[in-house]
Amino acid sequence: DVKVTQSSRYLVKRTGEKVFLECVQDMDHENMFWYRQDPGLGLRLIYFSYDVKMKEKGDIPEGYSVSREKKERFSLILESASTNQTSMYLCASSLGLGKLFFGSGTQLSVL
Amino acid sequence: RKEVEQDPGPFNVPEGATVAFNCTYSNSASQSFFWYRQDCRKEPKLLMSVYSSGNEDGRFTAQLNRASQYISLLIRDSKLSDSATYLCVVAAGEGAQKLVFGQGTRLTINP
Repeated sequence: DVKVTQSSRYLVKRTGEKVFLECVQDMDHENMFWYRQDPGLGLRLIYFSYDVKMKEKGDIPEGYSVSREKKERFSLILESASTNQTSMYLCASSLGLGKLFFGSGTQLSVL
Repeated sequence: RKEVEQDPGPFNVPEGATVAFNCTYSNSASQSFFWYRQDCRKEPKLLMSVYSSGNEDGRFTAQLNRASQYISLLIRDSKLSDSATYLCVVAAGEGAQKLVFGQGTRLTINP
């Protein structure tokens, strides 16, 4: 089975802190994604990457950046965390054709 | 107008009933369609792809109507374990790299 691992299940940070969310997949997938999920808004795409060192903005990239130095690892960075970035963050990987495998998520609270 | 719209529910139906819900999409160039399932406090998982001619997987039937730009999911003989949120997902362009998620329809099956 594909395994997508997110480094933390729960995270509490202060406003203004730099936050790193890590995601690792073990199936050699080319494509990796970061979504956030909020009640009433569903999943929204922040960034995705289709190859090492490649990245594309999703629908809500403002306030975020990403890093993909190795194929198996895709990191999401909040440069200066704000309270409106409190959310559930979901990482996913995919071979394509719409079949995503998600990690179990990181619930981030920014105080 | 949202790219993908779903009735958020909740739908409460008795065990054994048949339930159906629709999802509409706004981008007529959309190429690929999927239903994902998300259990409470868990990550989304692919339930089934939706093919142009319609397709079945056990008790689940998915249909696509390109003319009216909607997809549907029908669940027959519903089980308690079908209780979940069902996410409609649409992809545009080749390779279906960028997916747009609906906000989900919450379904509860009652004994």
